[in-house]
Amino acid sequence: QSVLTQPPSVSGAPGQRVTISCTGSSSNIGAGYDVHWYQQLPGTAPKLLIYANSNRPSGVPDRFSGSKSGTSASLAITGLQAEDEADYYCQSYDSSLSGLYVFGTGTKVTVL
Amino acid sequence: EVQLVESGGGLVQPGGSLRLSCAASGFTVSSNYMTWVRQAPGKGLEWVSVIYSGGSTYYADSVKGRFTISRDNSKNTLYLQMNSLRAEDTAVYYCARETRYYYGSGSYNVWGQGTTVTVSS
Repeated sequence: QSVLTQPPSVSGAPGQRVTISCTGSSSNIGAGYDVHWYQQLPGTAPKLLIYANSNRPSGVPDRFSGSKSGTSASLAITGLQAEDEADYYCQSYDSSLSGLYVFGTGTKVTVL
Repeated sequence: EVQLVESGGGLVQPGGSLRLSCAASGFTVSSNYMTWVRQAPGKGLEWVSVIYSGGSTYYADSVKGRFTISRDNSKNTLYLQMNSLRAEDTAVYYCARETRYYYGSGSYNVWGQGTTVTVSS
């Protein structure tokens, strides 16, 4: 059971900006642990998109950005493109007894 | 080239066992934190287990006592032994390499293609 909550879906027209929230608690994001983001295209393995809250791995377009505040984090996609249509997951560390690593519930981004 | 290739998935009856393998190339498994993540059909990602470079292992509550993560240094391969399988273990299983920035911060920058496990009678 995911302890990081994301909206099930977000959508936007090409060129627009969309944001995805990731809400946690005092045992994960609120405890100061970093948030990482992944993009999963249909039928493929996840791909690291943002690490340590706001850093982009080499090759990830600067249209993708991340931020963190309090018990939440956000992923923003600016200049939305058709190829951005995918599932997005946040991930963090959790200090509770239920597990060490946690993923968000996932968000489907649809490009209208 | 850094790569992970999983194998060993298949159809198994409830209560049965299966061992998944994850062969690594381009880096040394034993020097890294290696993880299994699964994804049930139509569902999100679920962290399953990790083995640290020092050998410590940890499991999600949902698999604790039934699954065992291990590695074979000579084969540079990661394993997941799954026993007492249940229908709810049906999923695509991915192995991944963690990049650890500091305590409490690690992301998965290398993923395998996944192997499918179906638990059904």
